Amino acid sequence: AQSVSQHNHHVILSEAASLELGCNYSYGGTVNLFWYVQYPGQHLQLLLKYFSGDPLVKGIKGFEAEFIKSKFSFNLRKPSVQWSDTAEYFCAVNAVRVNTGFQKLVFGTGTRLLVSP
Amino acid sequence: KAGVTQTPRYLIKTRGQQVTLSCSPISGHRSVSWYQQTPGQGLQFLFEYFSETQRNKGNFPGRFSGRQFSNSRSEMNVSTLELGDSALYLCASSIGTGRINEKLFFGSGTQLSVL
Repeated sequence: AQSVSQHNHHVILSEAASLELGCNYSYGGTVNLFWYVQYPGQHLQLLLKYFSGDPLVKGIKGFEAEFIKSKFSFNLRKPSVQWSDTAEYFCAVNAVRVNTGFQKLVFGTGTRLLVSP
Repeated sequence: KAGVTQTPRYLIKTRGQQVTLSCSPISGHRSVSWYQQTPGQGLQFLFEYFSETQRNKGNFPGRFSGRQFSNSRSEMNVSTLELGDSALYLCASSIGTGRINEKLFFGSGTQLSVL
């Protein structure tokens, strides 16, 4: 079964620091990968996604993620964080149900990022 | 266009009771998925409904059930509540093609506390 690991549960950074959140998945076939963000008091929203092509994916608000197939990783990065980036970040991989072909998202446990001004 | 609406926003129940949560998807969306979010566990998939039929199911006990109405609104029911059921329950809607590039839109969730 597909699974997603986010090893950093809590990250605290100062403004302007660089960010990298780790995400590893377990699945041997073709994967589709996502990062979702949940700002305090708001609903979950899509930050960026990878389906195919260029393994370096650009998302909203200056975020990017790199798909490294050999490492089964899809780490999220941002060169300079802002206080407004304080949120919880979830990595997710789609899981294809073999007998029906329909899919569900499998999420990691999330990383809480706190950016101090 | 209104987003995904979940009601109620907060619920407090006691062990052994049952609870029903409601989700209204975005107009035109026919798929509704439910997730349980807890600290340390992240989001865990409960089930997905499409055209009033359960299309996909996660690994939760039978106490967790759902249904979808003809207008695509969905309800989730948890019977015989346990303390461990305390969580944020999220609903997500999508058009419902099942294709890999289909975008999910999440509601703000229902925060359930079981005492």
